[in-house]
Amino acid sequence: KAGVTQTPRYLIKTRGQQVTLSCSPISGHRSVSWYQQTPGQGLQFLFEYFSETQRNKGNFPGRFSGRQFSNSRSEMNVSTLELGDSALYLCASSPGRRGPYNEQFFGPGTRLTVL
Amino acid sequence: GQQLNQSPQSMFIQEGEDVSMNCTSSSIFNTWLWYKQDPGEGPVLLIALYKAGELTSNGRLTAQFGITRKDSFLNISASIPSDVGIYFCAGHSGGSNYKLTFGKGTLLTVNP
Repeated sequence: KAGVTQTPRYLIKTRGQQVTLSCSPISGHRSVSWYQQTPGQGLQFLFEYFSETQRNKGNFPGRFSGRQFSNSRSEMNVSTLELGDSALYLCASSPGRRGPYNEQFFGPGTRLTVL
Repeated sequence: GQQLNQSPQSMFIQEGEDVSMNCTSSSIFNTWLWYKQDPGEGPVLLIALYKAGELTSNGRLTAQFGITRKDSFLNISASIPSDVGIYFCAGHSGGSNYKLTFGKGTLLTVNP
């Protein structure tokens, strides 16, 4: 079974630009979560999508947004980039069933550098 | 909001030594998880704990879910060079909340 794929792996942007990152979950998984990882703040939850609906959202400004398509692939968008947005963005795939915790499988991440 | 305090921040050990790291929380979690992250990769799940007091092993790794549901520890026995990496604890509060709360990580270096 193929794992979680994220594209692109590396990205360099300048302040004020916008960026779109893509995540393809494991086949059959319907939940996709996004996390931001920085040396100072560690791994922080951005949002989670299930069946094209956002179910949970972390404490990030509105510049961070996402969406999920009918095939469960997800994209996240960051508009008006700031230097502090430089980070590793991780996507996690899960079956998404309600009830006890569903294991989340992480992709390799997209390394975003904002200059 | 929920926070996890993970310690130590880093460890330098000799091959063959045992390692212990722990996480404490200001609030209760229904699931505790331990992940390992290698450079350039996403975190990989090592052990998942679902019940207070549960003790679970995965090879040389052993983890426990604290009785108060506010803490967990991970032990690695007889460390080997490939144990090098960053270890994260994570908590899941359950219910309709699908996010994981992560500790800041423990950087483990193993000297051969």
